[in-house]
Amino acid sequence: DVKVTQSSRYLVKRTGEKVFLECVQDMDHENMFWYRQDPGLGLRLIYFSYDVKMKEKGDIPEGYSVSREKKERFSLILESASTNQTSMYLCASSPFGGAIGELFFGEGSRLTVL
Amino acid sequence: GQNIDQPTEMTATEGAIVQINCTYQTSGFNGLFWYQQHAGEAPTFLSYNVLDGLEEKGRFSSFLSRSKGYSYLLLKELQMKDSASYLCAVRPPHQKVTFGTGTKLQVIP
Repeated sequence: DVKVTQSSRYLVKRTGEKVFLECVQDMDHENMFWYRQDPGLGLRLIYFSYDVKMKEKGDIPEGYSVSREKKERFSLILESASTNQTSMYLCASSPFGGAIGELFFGEGSRLTVL
Repeated sequence: GQNIDQPTEMTATEGAIVQINCTYQTSGFNGLFWYQQHAGEAPTFLSYNVLDGLEEKGRFSSFLSRSKGYSYLLLKELQMKDSASYLCAVRPPHQKVTFGTGTKLQVIP
């Protein structure tokens, strides 16, 4: 079965803290994505990666960075968390150039920044 | 850039049919997805259209008109478990899939 695993379901952090969100997929997919989901705004793409050590900015990359050192792992980093980064974060993966390119999502990480 | 519009909320009766519309304006197009998301859960894939026309999959069907930048998801024989958000997403020629804000469907008895 397809599996995308996010390291933490719920996190509470303080303003200014560094936050790491980890995502691991076991499907050997080339593409991995980080989205955040907020009421009324839907899913917005933060960063994506189409290969190891490759990354591209999405629609809202400010305040975030990412790391992809291994194919199966894609990390989202908040260098200095702020309250406006309180959100649900969803990781997804997809095969490159697949027949459908369907996204497989993790369960999400709900981050609260106080 | 991308612009995807869908209604915010809809209500329908159990056993009925409901159509959820999605319009999009994108710079390049390589397919349109529909995802279902129950409250507190991750989105799950429902359908994918890349050519014009209707794709049927059980109680769910999805339609695409590329010339009009328009798609709809049709849900038949509604069940209470169909209460969820339905997300329209567009895939441009590169790999960045962009989502609409979603339509929250409430099915009532």
